[in-house]
Amino acid sequence: KQEVTQIPAALSVPEGENLVLNCSFTDSAIYNLQWFRQDPGKGLTSLLLIQSSQREQTSGRLNASLDKSSGRSTLYIAASQPGDSATYLCAPRGGYSTLTFGKGTMLLVSP
Amino acid sequence: DAGVIQSPRHEVTEMGQEVTLRCKPISGHDYLFWYRQTMMRGLELLIYFNNNVPIDDSGMPEDRFSAKMPNASFSTLKIQPSEPRDSAVYFCASTPAGGTTDTQYFGPGTRLTVL
Repeated sequence: KQEVTQIPAALSVPEGENLVLNCSFTDSAIYNLQWFRQDPGKGLTSLLLIQSSQREQTSGRLNASLDKSSGRSTLYIAASQPGDSATYLCAPRGGYSTLTFGKGTMLLVSP
Repeated sequence: DAGVIQSPRHEVTEMGQEVTLRCKPISGHDYLFWYRQTMMRGLELLIYFNNNVPIDDSGMPEDRFSAKMPNASFSTLKIQPSEPRDSAVYFCASTPAGGTTDTQYFGPGTRLTVL
């Protein structure tokens, strides 16, 4: 059974800092890995999807990397802004389109 | 498109009552997923459907939980009887065809409180 761990559980930084969120998973037989953002009281929004054959994916100030063999992914956020404050979840995808979620990293960016 | 629609957004009920949560997936999406989110356990997959057929319900916690998808545009998750430990946020998500580039689109969730 896939298990996903996200470190740190919470992170508080001043605006402008570059930061890294970590995700590890136990079963490397994945099709892809997604990073999601969840705002308080809201649903999840997909940020990035990395295919199992890819090493990284970029969208604006976000960069996600994937090392499938070692069961690790990182989400890099450049020049953080208060609007980035949210919970970030990673979810590797196994067979039949199923995602397994970590418990997330709660990020607070202060002005 | 309006995205995944869930109703109600909030539900407060008493222990023992029946609860029905509803979901309308994005039109044209072949897969529909039901998740439950709690502080303790995070986000867990309960059941998912492909072309209205339940594929894997191994995440459904007990026989008190049941889910149906009578057509491509509607699904329900029912809890009968409800218990306080069922209190959680329940999300519905859909995805087009399950390809490796297909992301899941989530609804806003239903916050269930069982007193």
